[in-house]
Amino acid sequence: DTGVSQDPRHKITKRGQNVTFRCDPISEHNRLYWYRQTLGQGPEFLTYFQNEAQLEKSRLLSDRFSAERPKGSFSTLEIQRTEQGDSAMYLCASSSGPTNLNEQFFGPGTRLTVL
Amino acid sequence: AQSVTQLGSHVSVSEGALVLLRCNYSSSVPPYLFWYVQYPNQGLQLLLKYTSAATLVKGINGFEAEFKKSETSFHLTKPSAHMSDAAEYFCAVSDLPGANSKLTFGKGITLSVRP
Repeated sequence: DTGVSQDPRHKITKRGQNVTFRCDPISEHNRLYWYRQTLGQGPEFLTYFQNEAQLEKSRLLSDRFSAERPKGSFSTLEIQRTEQGDSAMYLCASSSGPTNLNEQFFGPGTRLTVL
Repeated sequence: AQSVTQLGSHVSVSEGALVLLRCNYSSSVPPYLFWYVQYPNQGLQLLLKYTSAATLVKGINGFEAEFKKSETSFHLTKPSAHMSDAAEYFCAVSDLPGANSKLTFGKGITLSVRP
């Protein structure tokens, strides 16, 4: 399988709990992005990694959110003390940088429901 | 800041009819423009992209889009709709390669195809 994978696909949690999502990008891709998509909206940028370095974070990414990409391979997105407003689809995408003119390949997403 | 406006949230066409999904952009630099499609419970799939080469761009599944700088538009068309085209369509804009290349999406348009 050469696509972007995300785990889990669905997560239901209670308000106040911590959750962690994983994204495995296409193996040769050095860029990795996280987006959030709420119902009826397009995806919104959260953060971006080039290799293991987190180079940009959106102001949407509050202090309760943290993302890592150790060794420049897979990435994790953790949400601490979840709130009902965190309920959304969390999408991961990867690309091989400017040589492919910004084409990003998306995973299937993790749907988070906070009760 | 870059932005994308997709007019209307829902378009319904008959099978075999022309599909026209509108997208207008705002960008302070020459934009890179994309159309993505999202089927239920799946990630986003790239349909086509404009990267300052030909203004008429052909994509997958018979879709094409025309970049019109004077109208700041990048409308998506398909001559003859098929039932399998029913999905959500997102227009997105990106800045130049070398930057983080994050995508800014419109709110999306749901396309329904009537038999």
